[in-house]
Amino acid sequence: GQNIDQPTEMTATEGAIVQINCTYQTSGFNGLFWYQQHAGEAPTFLSYNVLDGLEEKGRFSSFLSRSKGYSYLLLKELQMKDSASYLCAVRAQWGGFKTIFGAGTRLFVKA
Amino acid sequence: GAGVSQSPSNKVTEKGKDVELRCDPISGHTALYWYRQSLGQGLEFLIYFQGNSAPDKSGLPSDRFSAERTGGSVSTLTIQRTQQEDSAVYLCASSPSTGSYEQYFGPGTRLTVT
Repeated sequence: GQNIDQPTEMTATEGAIVQINCTYQTSGFNGLFWYQQHAGEAPTFLSYNVLDGLEEKGRFSSFLSRSKGYSYLLLKELQMKDSASYLCAVRAQWGGFKTIFGAGTRLFVKA
Repeated sequence: GAGVSQSPSNKVTEKGKDVELRCDPISGHTALYWYRQSLGQGLEFLIYFQGNSAPDKSGLPSDRFSAERTGGSVSTLTIQRTQQEDSAVYLCASSPSTGSYEQYFGPGTRLTVT
């Protein structure tokens, strides 16, 4: 079966750092994505990992360990506008495009 | 440039009626995806197209759901004999054929079955 797990909710303080974890079990693997979704809006792309290691992009970084089926999204210098849901998604086909999304982690940033 | 567009933005229909949802992907994007998102839930994969063909239809919930894509561009998702449990936001996304293949999402169609 296909399974992606991430925490349901997290709360963090403005200016702090937060790490959102994602574990996955899929029949294939062809890349892992993180998307941000504000309430009532469509998801927008944040990051992509296909090889092990850390990808850094401004205040956002994403890490992947394929052997452990594990990823995390790191958000630094949190801002109030970062309050949103963060979706972990796995392209679950070897060489293919079928993409399975986790249920999302709702992040609340407080002042 | 133009993003992914979907129509209608909202659709209210009576149980048992058929509905057709439309997606216009970004020009040149070869891959097109349909997802369903119920209130407060994650995205449920329905189907994806590579060009005009659909290599994977495993996510379609029942045979009441079908989708097609013509000319490698516009796609329609059809739901026949709608049921109340079909109420959700239906999201379409497209991606290019090279690079990270990140998906660009449309604004969605909110379907309400009464």
